[in-house]
Amino acid sequence: DGGITQSPKYLFRKEGQNVTLSCEQNLNHDAMYWYRQDPGQGLRLIYYSQIVNDFQKGDIAEGYSVSREKKESFPLTVTSAQKNPTAFYLCASSAGGWDTEAFFGQGTRLTVV
Amino acid sequence: GEDVEQSLFLSVREGDSSVINCTYTDSSSTYLYWYKQEPGAGLQLLTYIFSNMDMKQDQRLTVLLNKKDKHLSLRIADTQTGDSAIYFCAESGGKLIFGQGTELSVKP
Repeated sequence: DGGITQSPKYLFRKEGQNVTLSCEQNLNHDAMYWYRQDPGQGLRLIYYSQIVNDFQKGDIAEGYSVSREKKESFPLTVTSAQKNPTAFYLCASSAGGWDTEAFFGQGTRLTVV
Repeated sequence: GEDVEQSLFLSVREGDSSVINCTYTDSSSTYLYWYKQEPGAGLQLLTYIFSNMDMKQDQRLTVLLNKKDKHLSLRIADTQTGDSAIYFCAESGGKLIFGQGTELSVKP
């Protein structure tokens, strides 16, 4: 079945550590996105990539990094520079630009302990 | 600037209609979307409307668009307990911008 898969579902990180969230899609989509969700704040765009080997910062990119070496994969690293990383992280993909339907993964809940 | 606003909570009784409202700011948005999020899960596209349309109906869902007022609404007819979730509107005027989400609670 085609879809978008995020792993792990739950992730715990100690302060000062970097951690990488995985996002894989087999929908043959060109575009992939990372959003952060906090209660009552909707979804905020962290990074997006419209094509392999290219990505752009979203609204809240500070403290995060990404790579897009393969079409299927768009991992997000939460670095120690991110001051408040505890949140629900959502990955999405779409066939084209912003005017095409975005398909979401099931999310990763990151907690800093 | 870009901003999408929604009320945070809505409570209805089973069988009633639910109306979730949204205001947006980017008049260049080509599509406006409604997504549904169940607890602990990702977002699922419910429906969308093209910006040159006033209304779109899809089974129990009716979307109304007032471009002049930049107002979008989602009506769910015969609301069921399984409709309890968070509903997000989103506009696509350059990038996908989401509202804060409206938590719909359906009481039996």
